[in-house]
Amino acid sequence: NAGVTQTPKFRVLKTGQSMTLLCAQDMNHEYMYWYRQDPGMGLRLIHYSVGEGTTAKGEVPDGYNVSRLKKQNFLLGLESAAPSQTSVYFCASSFGNNEQFFGPGTRLTVL
Amino acid sequence: TQLLEQSPQFLSIQEGENLTVYCNSSSVFSSLQWYRQEPGEGPVLLVTVVTGGEVKKLKRLTFQFGDARKDSSLHITAAQPGDTGLYLCAGSSGGYNKLIFGAGTRLAVHP
Repeated sequence: NAGVTQTPKFRVLKTGQSMTLLCAQDMNHEYMYWYRQDPGMGLRLIHYSVGEGTTAKGEVPDGYNVSRLKKQNFLLGLESAAPSQTSVYFCASSFGNNEQFFGPGTRLTVL
Repeated sequence: TQLLEQSPQFLSIQEGENLTVYCNSSSVFSSLQWYRQEPGEGPVLLVTVVTGGEVKKLKRLTFQFGDARKDSSLHITAAQPGDTGLYLCAGSSGGYNKLIFGAGTRLAVHP
């Protein structure tokens, strides 16, 4: 089992460009999450999903959109990237109220 | 807004020393998790505490959940260089296993 995988690992964007981050999990988890991690601020929840076809806003959702068309995939989109979105993005999944399993992260720089 | 404050933010010690990391909040959490994160990787769960006053041990690591379920501590006995990493506490909040993370304690253990 690969667990939680994220693509790409690194990306550099120019202000205004768009991109999609892909998260995939092979553990048949219902819940999936997108976080961003910034220095000195821990991880902050962007959006989450409690099942295929459902999404909900987290703590810092502005500027991001998500989709969960398949149970195993959770996509995070940036329609018009801004320098404030420079961060490390982590995807996680869980089965109910149990441990969250995290992917290795995507390091995004917006110039 | 629920917040988790971790202290200290940084800790640099010699191998063999003991240390304690604190995680405090004014809010009550249904459970609290401790994660460890190494550079370039996602956080990995160490322990979950659920009951007020609960103490859990994981080899040289001792975790305690406050009686009022608002705070927690992580104590490491005889630290080793392999304990080096970022330690994050996270409180379960608002259902669907959503987590509020502290900013983390970065620990460096020198041989």
